[in-house]
Amino acid sequence: DIQMTQSPSTLSASVGDRVTITCRASQSISSWLAWYQQKPGKAPQLLIFKASSLESGVPSRFSGSGSGTEFTLTISSLQPDDFASYYCQQYYSYSPWMFGQGTRVEIK
Amino acid sequence: QVQLVQSGAEVKKPGASVKVSCKASGYSFTTYAIQWVRQAPGQSLEWLGWIDAGNGNTRYSQNFQGRLTITTDTSATTAYMDLSSLRSEDTAIYFCARKIPFDSWGQGTLVTVSS
Repeated sequence: DIQMTQSPSTLSASVGDRVTITCRASQSISSWLAWYQQKPGKAPQLLIFKASSLESGVPSRFSGSGSGTEFTLTISSLQPDDFASYYCQQYYSYSPWMFGQGTRVEIK
Repeated sequence: QVQLVQSGAEVKKPGASVKVSCKASGYSFTTYAIQWVRQAPGQSLEWLGWIDAGNGNTRYSQNFQGRLTITTDTSATTAYMDLSSLRSEDTAIYFCARKIPFDSWGQGTLVTVSS
């Protein structure tokens, strides 16, 4: 199975900060990577697919980059609504669709 | 708009089975796969399996082979997740989702396994 490792596990930041979350795959997954946001008690929401494509309706302050084994999610200017947990997920071939362990973005 | 609505919370004893439903609306049900994912308290997301709603083909995580069955009723535009031989570690919120990557999600169903 392809393992996904996210860092950091927790991130403290202030409104307006630029925030970057990293996700590493244990082997190359090309660009088959998605990012999700999850708020407490809610289902996850798709933010980014194919590493850098913004899902419809998602604010442009969210962006994704990377390919192969290393990926990043960037929030250009953190807003109050962005304090949540973020998960990366690989969907390469028919390997199980593994998720990263998550990054919680909290208020500094 | 696309909606996935799941059945309500369940409490089960160890060794029992649970069946969770996921009713889809707002799109052509047979066009996309339905995925099942779970999240134990305070933990990350774990993919369980999926079903191609068009032809009924399924694929399961090896972690659940033999215990998990995913089915659909296309006339009712509903997918089902059946997990048997439940143990306390199966206590989690179970989500259905559409497509890969998962672009729409159900609201989640809490399954509690306790004696």
